[in-house]
Amino acid sequence: DAGVIQSPRHEVTEMGQEVTLRCKPISGHNSLFWYRQTMMRGLELLIYFNNNVPIDDSGMPEDRFSAKMPNASFSTLKIQPSEPRDSAVYFCASRVGEGTEAFFGQGTRLTVV
Amino acid sequence: GESVGLHLPTLSVQEGDNSIINCAYSNSASDYFIWYKQESGKGPQFIIDIRSNMDKRQGQRVTVLLNKTVKHLSLQIAATQPGDSAVYFCAENIASGGSYIPTFGRGTSLIVHP
Repeated sequence: DAGVIQSPRHEVTEMGQEVTLRCKPISGHNSLFWYRQTMMRGLELLIYFNNNVPIDDSGMPEDRFSAKMPNASFSTLKIQPSEPRDSAVYFCASRVGEGTEAFFGQGTRLTVV
Repeated sequence: GESVGLHLPTLSVQEGDNSIINCAYSNSASDYFIWYKQESGKGPQFIIDIRSNMDKRQGQRVTVLLNKTVKHLSLQIAATQPGDSAVYFCAENIASGGSYIPTFGRGTSLIVHP
C-alpha cells in the first residue's frame, strides 16, 4: 500500500482565493483525520470522519473551513476564502479502527500571501 | 481543558548515547498512547504504542514506559544514531463524540551529534 496520499504537496495562493486539499486514506481504514500543524499551536485536530461520516468537527476554525468525505477513498478540506493566518502544514491521517495507530500522509504546505 | 505536554522542547545527544524523551499527560481516562517521529518535511511516523494495562513495551532500540500514577510517558532510544534526529510527539487517545481521537503534545526536537 502506498500509504495516505495527499495532494498537492505545496500550495501557494493569494488571500481570498479558494483552496482545496485532497486526501486518499489507506484502503480498508474507516477513520480519517485532518490536522493542521503550526509552530505556535503544534498539531491540531480539525475534523474526524468515521465510516465517511463527520464525527467531530469542533476543531474547524470557522465557517471558511469545510471538509467532505464522499466515499471511503477520498476526502477534501476546503478553505474559502483563504487568509494569511491559514498558512500551515495540513495533514491527513487514517486508521483501521479505535485503539490503533493513525497513519499520516506527507502533508500539504499551504502558504497564503 | 486536559492536554498532553512535553517537558523538554530540545534534546541534544551524542551518537551512541541513549536518549530519553518525556511526556506528561493529564487525562486519567486515556487508555492508549502512541509515540510518533516526524522528520523535516514529512508526516508523523508511528514508532511504538502502549495501552494503559501495560507499564512497559519494547521495540527495536526503543522502549516506552508508562507511569499511570504520575501520568507520565517516556520514550527511550538506545544507541542513538544521527538518523534518529527528528521531532518526537506523544499522543493520547481522548474520548470525543463517542470515539477516541489522537491528541498530540507539542513535541521534542532530538538532535544527535555524530
